[in-house]
Amino acid sequence: NAGVTQTPKFQVLKTGQSMTLQCAQDMNHNSMYWYRQDPGMGLRLIYYSASEGTTDKGEVPNGYNVSRLNKREFSLRLESAAPSQTSVYFCASSEDYSPLHFGNGTRLTVT
Amino acid sequence: GIQVEQSPPDLILQEGANSTLRCNFSDSVNNLQWFHQNPWGQLINLFYIPSGTKQNGRLSATTVATERYSLLYISSSQTTDSGVYFCAVRLQGGSEKLVFGKGTKLTVNP
Repeated sequence: NAGVTQTPKFQVLKTGQSMTLQCAQDMNHNSMYWYRQDPGMGLRLIYYSASEGTTDKGEVPNGYNVSRLNKREFSLRLESAAPSQTSVYFCASSEDYSPLHFGNGTRLTVT
Repeated sequence: GIQVEQSPPDLILQEGANSTLRCNFSDSVNNLQWFHQNPWGQLINLFYIPSGTKQNGRLSATTVATERYSLLYISSSQTTDSGVYFCAVRLQGGSEKLVFGKGTKLTVNP
């Protein structure tokens, strides 16, 4: 059982480049989330999807877009990367009223 | 929005000591979870505990929802307990969002 799988693990971008972070879960969960983690800031929610076909903004959505491709997959896209988007990105999934499961994270550096 | 405050921000212990971590929140919640982030960055769910008390080995947690706080107890600490402990809550009657506190960094020395 793989749980939540994120790719890539590491990425370096130049300002203005675009990229998509991939996330897939094999636990048949309805809800999926993207968080970013910055030093001293804890985890902040970027976007979430309560079910297939729906997405909603979190605390820090600016500069990001998401796609809930199907029940398993939830991708995060940076259209024009900025240095302020340097962070560690975590994908997570859960069912209602049950524990949240995280992937291992993607460390992104924007130069 | 809901505020989540964790204390202390930093904690240093000798192996074998006990500790209590606290999470205060500003509104009624229907979901509260504790996580451990190990030194390699992995986030592991410790407890799903919107109310009541749970125990898992040397760790236990108590949430008093009416008083808007939760406590995580670590007994006989080991060096592998080092890392950052986060609590996260979801507002009752709110959306799916889980809001995280800023964490407590625990260092257990041998």
